[in-house]
Amino acid sequence: DQQVKQNSPSLSVQEGRISILNCDYTNSMFDYFLWYKKYPAEGPTFLISISSIKDKNEDGRFTVFLNKSAKHLSLHIVPSQPGDSAVYFCAANAGGTSYGKLTFGQGTILTVHP
Amino acid sequence: DVKVTQSSRYLVKRTGEKVFLECVQDMDHENMFWYRQDPGLGLRLIYFSYDVKMKEKGDIPEGYSVSREKKERFSLILESASTNQTSMYLCASSPADRAAAFFGQGTRLTVV
Repeated sequence: DQQVKQNSPSLSVQEGRISILNCDYTNSMFDYFLWYKKYPAEGPTFLISISSIKDKNEDGRFTVFLNKSAKHLSLHIVPSQPGDSAVYFCAANAGGTSYGKLTFGQGTILTVHP
Repeated sequence: DVKVTQSSRYLVKRTGEKVFLECVQDMDHENMFWYRQDPGLGLRLIYFSYDVKMKEKGDIPEGYSVSREKKERFSLILESASTNQTSMYLCASSPADRAAAFFGQGTRLTVV
């Protein structure tokens, strides 16, 4: 039972354009959402997060949007740069006594072409 | 900066061997986790620990065990390695009051 889904395995974008990565979830107990970026042969690095009490969070070129009614979140990268090429994972946490456990999506491979 | 260090980047083991993967974090985090990453499946939680000597099963604990004797160290044990345990193993840690986990560099384990 995949509680967090990234339905696009890959995304290809031209440098300078916007990249939009999408994520859907099914568990209504999730109240905190995160995006991680992963390069090959390295561990994931935390990118940006959003609490369920917000619908938008921005950090430089990265913005995460949360639509609770649709159980959908998205990550916008503007402008996209070749160094953004990596695998992006969305993750969700249920808070409470979940002890920081994260449930991850399958990942989306982003390729930014020069 | 938080540092999570895994003892090996690459490991090759034989079927049936007992395998130990070690992880150390230097930020006094309460929570520690072991995930495995497989293509098309994302990261899946194997085991986690929220305190010394405490452990909880994640989503895919079969064939694995863990040990946390000290707060900074969390070990993953493959009791009898099998080829379907060939994977990238990722250790992570987080403070008790935050869900943003910090990951180690990963261990690519191949079981032949």
